[in-house]
Amino acid sequence: DAKTTQPPSMDCAEGRAANLPCNHSTISGNEYVYWYRQIHSQGPQYIIHGLKNNETNEMASLIITEDRKSSTLILPHATLRDTAVYYCIVRVPFSGGYNKLIFGAGTRLAVHP
Amino acid sequence: ETGVTQTPRHLVMGMTNKKSLKCEQHLGHNAMYWYKQSAKKPLELMFVYSLEERVENNSVPSRFSPECPNSSHLFLHLHTLQPEDSALYLCASSLGQNGELFFGEGSRLTVL
Repeated sequence: DAKTTQPPSMDCAEGRAANLPCNHSTISGNEYVYWYRQIHSQGPQYIIHGLKNNETNEMASLIITEDRKSSTLILPHATLRDTAVYYCIVRVPFSGGYNKLIFGAGTRLAVHP
Repeated sequence: ETGVTQTPRHLVMGMTNKKSLKCEQHLGHNAMYWYKQSAKKPLELMFVYSLEERVENNSVPSRFSPECPNSSHLFLHLHTLQPEDSALYLCASSLGQNGELFFGEGSRLTVL
């Protein structure tokens, strides 16, 4: 089962910041938080990931609380093309020292003009 | 273009048919994955291959048979499928087991 909970849907006006919350209260100390998004009829696209510190790249910023029980993905200036399902994922270990991503239902973000 | 190519993009098959899905990655990655995405369900990990060896099969029914002949190619062989196997099948690759996953566009399968 997914270790994250997200709101099922959110709206955002074009040009404004989109702040997508995620709860992961059972996360372990060495488990990373990943964000992917899936635009309709396409494969999921990697956005960003982090462990403890806040992270920023050309797509988004990731803010992780100090207790690591929740995080927020920020799209600074949302465009219509950012309309997608956004998945917050905790990477968990499994056999052989490998890790895997367990996807939940995600948040459906609708960006409107 | 993610560097991961899946063919065919759409496939319709009967329950007695045998077909295969193909995935090819041009990223120099050494781990490849099959995920299944059914309607209104989260993505489910089916298989993981690392350096051409299967690491995880996640209790997938034997009517799904993966094959990884080299680090760039991954197949999913399908036989005697059921209508409930209709789904979007996604291939992904990564550099090592901890690298980010790069997904293909998926193969949408319909079983009649």
